[in-house]
Amino acid sequence: AQSVTQLGSHVSVSEGALVLLRCNYSSSVPPYLFWYVQYPNQGLQLLLKYTTGATLVKGINGFEAEFKKSETSFHLTKPSAHMSDAAEYFCAVSDHDFGNEKLTFGTGTRLTIIP
Amino acid sequence: NAGVMQNPRHLVRRRGQEARLRCSPMKGHSHVYWYRQLPEEGLKFMVYLQKENIIDESGMPKERFSAEFPKEGPSILRIQQVVRGDSAAYFCASSRQTSGGAGEQFFGPGTRLTVL
Repeated sequence: AQSVTQLGSHVSVSEGALVLLRCNYSSSVPPYLFWYVQYPNQGLQLLLKYTTGATLVKGINGFEAEFKKSETSFHLTKPSAHMSDAAEYFCAVSDHDFGNEKLTFGTGTRLTIIP
Repeated sequence: NAGVMQNPRHLVRRRGQEARLRCSPMKGHSHVYWYRQLPEEGLKFMVYLQKENIIDESGMPKERFSAEFPKEGPSILRIQQVVRGDSAAYFCASSRQTSGGAGEQFFGPGTRLTVL
């Protein structure tokens, strides 16, 4: 079975500072990994995904994540936080059997930006 | 191109009533997933459907919950005899034909169910 652990349910950073949101996964097969963002009272929006190939993945809004197999990690970073980044962030792993791509999510990290 | 539509956005039911949640996938998408988000928790998979078929319902409670995705019309998640513990946000996601897990699921805005 697959699982995702997000360390830190709440993270606060100052505007302009580095954002680092941690995600560790467990998977019996090579994982497909995703980061989603959720703004209040809205659905989830895909930030970026890793499937195969380059381990450093760039996404929207200046975010990027690096897949590290040896550490079973897929941490999300952004060099300089903006007020608009305040939201909840979810890491997820795909059960990527052909015919079923259901996602297993972490419990989320709420990011607060301090002016 | 309209995104995934869910209605109603907010639904209030009394214990014992039925809740019916609707999801219209994006145009061209034939795969629908339902997830539930309890307060202060992440999303949990409930059920995966294709047109007229339930592919995986391993995350859905065996009693009171059912889902369908008819040939015509939206996907429906039905909860009979609701209890307070059913209060949650229910999200629908759709995707194109499966591509081995590399495809993107597009999420709707969710239906927030409150059981009084």
